Amino acid sequence: SQTIHQWPATLVQPVGSPLSLECTVEGTSNPNLYWYRQAAGRGLQLLFYSVGIGQISSEVPQNLSASRPQDRQFILSSKKLLLSDSGFYLCAWETGEGETQYFGPGTRLLVL
Amino acid sequence: KNQVEQSPQSLIILEGKNCTLQCNYTVSPFSNLRWYKQDTGRGPVSLTIMTFSENTKSNGRYTATLDADTKQSSLHITASQLSDSASYICVVNDYKLSFGAGTTVTVRA
Repeated sequence: SQTIHQWPATLVQPVGSPLSLECTVEGTSNPNLYWYRQAAGRGLQLLFYSVGIGQISSEVPQNLSASRPQDRQFILSSKKLLLSDSGFYLCAWETGEGETQYFGPGTRLLVL
Repeated sequence: KNQVEQSPQSLIILEGKNCTLQCNYTVSPFSNLRWYKQDTGRGPVSLTIMTFSENTKSNGRYTATLDADTKQSSLHITASQLSDSASYICVVNDYKLSFGAGTTVTVRA
């Protein structure tokens, strides 16, 4: 069966520090991968998606970046965190467009 | 303006009662409409997914309906249980997902 992992589960970082969140998927090949951010009381905001290794599409301009070094690994990064980067970050995968998306457990990031 | 609006923003119901959540959207055309359940601090979990031509889809005590003419969808929870306390999110897919802000449901004993 397929599973999706995210770590860390929670993270407290100072403003200006770097960030690296990791997402891995097991039990499937060549999934579409997504990074979302969810602010308190708000809907999910799509940040990045990837249809294959090295292929990254960005939905919103920001100080975050994403990389897909392996088929089932998706990484969200920042060189310098801002206060506004605080939120709940969710990784998701799907077998193809139009199919059900499966979400990871999320990472709660607090930037102080 | 968000293309997917959900109402109410939150609601409280007694255990065993039914409730209906609303989703109005402006995205058109679209390939499918989804409802997700998100427990606090967890990732969303898919409840139903309906294509443009479907009118209703059930998953246990959850029943989703879709009226493409009025661009409305609803999620009906039957005989609510304490475990139904969560946020319910409506998502419209026109090859780009548009998320509603969600309805927070609290079920009380």
